[in-house]
Amino acid sequence: EDKVVQSPLSLVVHEGDTVTLNCSYEVTNFRSLLWYKQEKKAPTFLFMLTSSGIEKKSGRLSSILDKKELFSILNITATQTGDSAVYLCAHEQSFNFGNEKLTFGTGTRLTIIP
Amino acid sequence: NAGVTQTPKFQVLKTGQSMTLQCAQDMNHNSMYWYRQDPGMGLRLIYYSASEGTTDKGEVPNGYNVSRLNKREFSLRLESAAPSQTSVYFCASSNRDTYYEQYFGPGTRLTVT
Repeated sequence: EDKVVQSPLSLVVHEGDTVTLNCSYEVTNFRSLLWYKQEKKAPTFLFMLTSSGIEKKSGRLSSILDKKELFSILNITATQTGDSAVYLCAHEQSFNFGNEKLTFGTGTRLTIIP
Repeated sequence: NAGVTQTPKFQVLKTGQSMTLQCAQDMNHNSMYWYRQDPGMGLRLIYYSASEGTTDKGEVPNGYNVSRLNKREFSLRLESAAPSQTSVYFCASSNRDTYYEQYFGPGTRLTVT
């Protein structure tokens, strides 16, 4: 059975700190690893990773994938209170074009204290 | 451009009652999805529709039915609600070419007593 495991489950840090969120996976038909941010309601897309060792970056957020060790990390530098959210990791399976599905982890709840 | 809309936002049902959750998107997306989110369980896929006229089961389809009414609308029906279906339900859609970037609706919080 496919699994996506995120750690830690929750994290509380002070504004300005750097955090690293972890996602490990055991999946069949792996195609990509995705990160989403969920603030109050709907998740919003952050990154898609398909190749090992290639960092994706957006402002203070960055992410990298290790396909050999089956994990990904999401880094946030110089954290701000607006970074407080649940961060979801998901893997994408594809059996044929147009039938892609996402399997989500349980998420890491990040709280930034001013 | 409203994105993905869901109705209702909140609903309380008694065990055995039925209801339909509505979802619509105005982004001309091919694929649509229904998820449920429970504490400690993450988002779990209930059903999805890769295109108008097709639907497929996800991870937790039991107790639900879906209808892809047209390209814009994808509804989720609970025929006989059970307390185990108390959850937050999210609808999402994506473009075929950027399938990984799913756009989520605001969610429906359902309580079954």
